[in-house]
Amino acid sequence: NAGVMQNPRHLVRRRGQEARLRCSPMKGHSHVYWYRQLPEEGLKFMVYLQKENIIDESGMPKERFSAEFPKEGPSILRIQQVVRGDSAAYFCASSPPTGRGAGKDTGELFFGEGSRLTVL
Amino acid sequence: DAKTTQPPSMDCAEGRAANLPCNHSTISGNEYVYWYRQIHSQGPQYIIHGLKNNETNEMASLIITEDRKSSTLILPHATLRDTAVYYCIVRVASSNTGKLIFGQGTTLQVKP
Repeated sequence: NAGVMQNPRHLVRRRGQEARLRCSPMKGHSHVYWYRQLPEEGLKFMVYLQKENIIDESGMPKERFSAEFPKEGPSILRIQQVVRGDSAAYFCASSPPTGRGAGKDTGELFFGEGSRLTVL
Repeated sequence: DAKTTQPPSMDCAEGRAANLPCNHSTISGNEYVYWYRQIHSQGPQYIIHGLKNNETNEMASLIITEDRKSSTLILPHATLRDTAVYYCIVRVASSNTGKLIFGQGTTLQVKP
């Protein structure tokens, strides 16, 4: 029973390039969350997605950042025209669907090991 | 979601119990108390959660005061591998908002 899988684990980009981070949730999970952790700082919520829908993007920077969770395939966090300040660890988490038929829902989020972006 | 207050850091001797406090005086009746931890450079890890009764699992115990305004996470026999940042979070379980809001947490240093 694989956990949340993130790739790449490490990504190096030059300023102005694009970064794409992928997240495969746990089997049966339809909710995905992205968090950012700047060096020596805490975890900051970015976006919460369900399949094909963005539910809460209140933590996403207004420009250059976008996220998607298509019907098939992993969730993607995309950063265009990266700058040095984007260097951080990006964590993805998943949770099962809520509501009827979802079984026991503890409200627990399951985190991946993160993708570390370095912008040169 | 209600806010929490935790001490920024604590030390604990290896093999002793680590008691990590958390204040959540504005917690609502339907909000749970969750504890997560983040070991250096790793993804956050769920530890335990509870509503009003004390809870115990293989990792820790959670003691919630009767008025639910504070709680304590207890690691009964701390090891060096328990050195981490511990986060206390309150939120509604099964909430459609889903997200967890992490504060600064408590950095627990377990010393030999």
